[in-house]
Amino acid sequence: AQSVSQHNHHVILSEAASLELGCNYSYGGTVNLFWYVQYPGQHLQLLLKYFSGDPLVKGIKGFEAEFIKSKFSFNLRKPSVQWSDTAEYFCAVMKNTGFQKLVFGTGTRLLVSP
Amino acid sequence: IAGITQAPTSQILAAGRRMTLRCTQDMRHNAMYWYRQDLGLGLRLIHYSNTAGTTGKGEVPDGYSVSRANTDDFPLTLASAVPSQTSVYFCASSPEPGLFNYGYTFGSGTRLTVV
Repeated sequence: AQSVSQHNHHVILSEAASLELGCNYSYGGTVNLFWYVQYPGQHLQLLLKYFSGDPLVKGIKGFEAEFIKSKFSFNLRKPSVQWSDTAEYFCAVMKNTGFQKLVFGTGTRLLVSP
Repeated sequence: IAGITQAPTSQILAAGRRMTLRCTQDMRHNAMYWYRQDLGLGLRLIHYSNTAGTTGKGEVPDGYSVSRANTDDFPLTLASAVPSQTSVYFCASSPEPGLFNYGYTFGSGTRLTVV
């Protein structure tokens, strides 16, 4: 079965620190990859997505993610976090064939202290 | 503003009661989804609908039912609520099922507490 793993459940950083959140998936075929963000009390919003081409994708608010096919990974990065980045971050995967639904990881809660 | 409207925003429900969570979208999206969000478990798919008139089971369908009588509405019904159904429920949509370069649009969620 397809699964998505986010190993960091809670991350605490100070403002201006660099961020990297891990995401690994288990499906061996062609996949499409997403990062969503959920700010406190809000719904999920798309940060960035990858479906083909350059494996380094840039999203909103200075976030980027790199797809490394050999490692089945799609880690999210930001060079310098801000207090407003405090949120929960979800990695999600959709296969190109078969059950084409978004499958989410368990999420990572990021707290950025001022 | 185009998007997804969920109602109610929150609800406290006695165990054994029936409850329908409403979801309406005005984007004419064909595909709609219901997820539940639980701490430490992320979002899990309950049911989905690829187009009006069709529905399918997701990862955790037991205790829930859905219908899709038209394009815009996708209600989720708990026939007899149990405390384990305490969760935050998100409705989502996409223009077409499996449209991987779009992702999903999410509603604001319904926080349900079953006591």
